[in-house]
Amino acid sequence: EAGVVQSPRYKIIEKKQPVAFWCNPISGHNTLYWYRQNLGQGPELLIRYENEEAVDDSQLPKDRFSAERLKGVDSTLKIQPAELGDSAVYLCASSLSQTTGYTFGSGTRLTVV
Amino acid sequence: RKEVEQDPGPFNVPEGATVAFNCTYSNSASQSFFWYRQDCRKEPKLLMSVYSSGNEDGRFTAQLNRASQYISLLIRDSKLSDSATYLCVVNNAGKSTFGDGTTLTVKP
Repeated sequence: EAGVVQSPRYKIIEKKQPVAFWCNPISGHNTLYWYRQNLGQGPELLIRYENEEAVDDSQLPKDRFSAERLKGVDSTLKIQPAELGDSAVYLCASSLSQTTGYTFGSGTRLTVV
Repeated sequence: RKEVEQDPGPFNVPEGATVAFNCTYSNSASQSFFWYRQDCRKEPKLLMSVYSSGNEDGRFTAQLNRASQYISLLIRDSKLSDSATYLCVVNNAGKSTFGDGTTLTVKP
């Protein structure tokens, strides 16, 4: 079984530029999450989807971040414009339900210069 | 105060040692609990769920104390390959909150 697939693995952009990350969850996993992880810290939830519906986006900085999950499968997370403080690892995860453990993708390491 | 707190360590132990990590959480309504393992520059991976009655998986034992609002992870007979950061996760109504992790280094 394929795991959670994310791309790209690495991205370096200049501040004020846009950037997008893509995630393909495990087949059959209805719940999809985007997390951000800074060095030395645990992952912090940005947004959670149940199928195509965003059920928790309270931690998403909506002035510059947006996400979508069309057809309840793949998802994209976008930042526009990027700021220096956005440098982090962006992790996508999926799970069978809200109360089971997650499977994470390998993440996208973003560096904003 | 953070919702989920862990001692960051690092814990440096010799091979074969027994080591225990604790994690406290602030929301008494939390419903499910997990331990994840994260290797350097890798994604977190689910190690085990934590059940109310406590549970064991080989050398790993997880305990939950709802009254005191903490969970623990015990590793027996530590191996070099156990070196990693261990993340505590607390779930409430579908929202999982991660601790910042405890770093373990097992030395020969």
